[in-house]
Amino acid sequence: AQSVAQPEDQVNVAEGNPLTVKCTYSVSGNPYLFWYVQYPNRGLQFLLKYITGDNLVKGSYGFEAEFNKSQTSFHLKKPSALVSDSALYFCAVRDPKIYYSGGGADGLTFGKGTHLIIQP
Amino acid sequence: NAGVTQTPKFRVLKTGQSMTLLCAQDMNHEYMYWYRQDPGMGLRLIHYSVGEGTTAKGEVPDGYNVSRLKKQNFLLGLESAAPSQTSVYFCASSYRGQAWGYTFGSGTRLTVV
Repeated sequence: AQSVAQPEDQVNVAEGNPLTVKCTYSVSGNPYLFWYVQYPNRGLQFLLKYITGDNLVKGSYGFEAEFNKSQTSFHLKKPSALVSDSALYFCAVRDPKIYYSGGGADGLTFGKGTHLIIQP
Repeated sequence: NAGVTQTPKFRVLKTGQSMTLLCAQDMNHEYMYWYRQDPGMGLRLIHYSVGEGTTAKGEVPDGYNVSRLKKQNFLLGLESAAPSQTSVYFCASSYRGQAWGYTFGSGTRLTVV
């Protein structure tokens, strides 16, 4: 079964500093990985995805994520944090073997979320 | 382009009451999903549908029923609401054969008292 872990419930970063939100995953093969962001009282918004190719993936709002197969990680990063980046961030994983065998419609598996707080 | 629309946005129910949450998408997506979000639990899949007339159970289906009579709509029903069903419910949709992420609705905050 596929799973994803976000080890930190909350991450605090000063504005202007680099930020990292951690994510590790478990799938049987090569994963499809995603990051979503949720602002208060809003639905989840897609930030970026890794399907194949370069290990460093760039997404919306200046965010990027690094896929590390040996460490089974997909950490979200940003070089310089903004107060407006404060939100709840979710990592998600899908096992493509399951997906393309017809079982993939059972959905992405999400982590529990990490609250990112950027302090002015 | 509205994307995924959920109604209602807020609702308070008494224990034992029933209600239906509506999800509508205008992107011609084949797949639709219902998740619930609880503090510290992340998002958990309740039910999903791979097409009109088909539904399947997700991780936490007990106490819920769904229907997909039209491709663009996915309904989530609570027949007899319980306080444990107090949550924020999100609908999402995606294309078949496209292993991208989903488009989410803005959520329905349900309180069962």
